[in-house]
Amino acid sequence: SAVISQKPSRDICQRGTSLTIQCQVDSQVTMMFWYRQQPGQSLTLIATANQGSEATYESGFVIDKFPISRPNLTFSTLTVSNMSPEDSSIYLCSVSPGVTSGGFDYGYTFGSGTRLTVV
Amino acid sequence: AQRVTQPEKLLSVFKGAPVELKCNYSYSGSPELFWYVQYSRQRLQLLLRHISRESIKGFTADLNKGETSFHLKKPFAQEEDSAMYYCALSNTGGFKTIFGAGTRLFVKA
Repeated sequence: SAVISQKPSRDICQRGTSLTIQCQVDSQVTMMFWYRQQPGQSLTLIATANQGSEATYESGFVIDKFPISRPNLTFSTLTVSNMSPEDSSIYLCSVSPGVTSGGFDYGYTFGSGTRLTVV
Repeated sequence: AQRVTQPEKLLSVFKGAPVELKCNYSYSGSPELFWYVQYSRQRLQLLLRHISRESIKGFTADLNKGETSFHLKKPFAQEEDSAMYYCALSNTGGFKTIFGAGTRLFVKA
């Protein structure tokens, strides 16, 4: 399975600033996903990033707040913009090797996460 | 609406006891179900998929479409099984996955 390097692993940021999180994969993948895990809650999908096209955002998430880049098949960044304490969360990058010829999902591989604290 | 429900936030069992982590789902099509696990200080990782009908680390899970459940079971819990477990549902093709709230399993010596 793919190996994902995600950084930074954690950061403490001032409100109103922005943080860019990087995700590097050791193999080419078509789809990369960004998740948020707020304290005590489950994972929520922020957006899906495909190389060569605009990211697809889920309800409640917008590009101005969470701009995403996907310059090639092994790399993506997520920026958390104009941060507020409500953005304090763990942000996770994940990839899926895709589906089998029968259309079944292989499941996700996750990065180690970025623990963001906004003060 | 698509939904994954894990009714137990915390499950505590003694070593050697059977364990069952419950997962129920709501989905209008033919879902693919997964269990993910996160051990302390490690990243989230895939444990098993319903489609492969495999047993990983002694855990099994059977998809029950009638009861819309995908409970995770192990006959004899080990201390190293202590972790956070997430049930997840994917639509056909795997383009979007929904996670349950998670169950923390604590296996006592």
